[in-house]
Amino acid sequence: AQSVAQPEDQVNVAEGNPLTVKCTYSVSGNPYLFWYVQYPNRGLQFLLKYITGDNLVKGSYGFEAEFNKSQTSFHLKKPSALVSDSALYFCAVRDGNGDTGRRALTFGSGTRLQVQP
Amino acid sequence: DTGVSQNPRHKITKRGQNVTFRCDPISEHNRLYWYRQTLGQGPEFLTYFQNEAQLEKSRLLSDRFSAERPKGSFSTLEIQRTEQGDSAMYLCASSLEKGLRSGQFFGPGTRLTVL
Repeated sequence: AQSVAQPEDQVNVAEGNPLTVKCTYSVSGNPYLFWYVQYPNRGLQFLLKYITGDNLVKGSYGFEAEFNKSQTSFHLKKPSALVSDSALYFCAVRDGNGDTGRRALTFGSGTRLQVQP
Repeated sequence: DTGVSQNPRHKITKRGQNVTFRCDPISEHNRLYWYRQTLGQGPEFLTYFQNEAQLEKSRLLSDRFSAERPKGSFSTLEIQRTEQGDSAMYLCASSLEKGLRSGQFFGPGTRLTVL
């Protein structure tokens, strides 16, 4: 079974400050990890993914995420938050095992990011 | 627009009626997924297709739900005898699977309200 935990329902940060949105995961095989963002009345937009290689992954809109295998974490980060970053963020995982891994993504419950001006 | 499209965007129906949603994936994508999202939750997997073959179904997909992808292009999701608990956002996603490394791209969703 695979699962994702996003321990914070909401993260508040002032514009210009760094932000971190936390995610931990559980998967039996090699993890493929994803971050998506959802704006009101919009579909999920892909931000970034970790498949293999460098533990620091860079994505869209200045976001990055750090894969930590020992802590089974994949926290989303941005050096300087913008008011327009305010949205709902979802972490997702799938099992990278080519033969038995589930193809579908398992999502966390989401973290609402509120960036104050 | 070359993204994933879903129709209708909103559907209001009475309990007991049947509804059908359509998803048009990105044209070259061979995999298509359906998810359901309720308020305050992350999307939950329902089913997925590789080309026209339905390869996996979640336990969430009761026998009132059926999905098809007849020619490996667009897909339909039908809910028969709708219940109030079916009210949710239904999301479709597609991907081009090469070595399992591709991400899934989501459509805007169909919001279903069952009265």
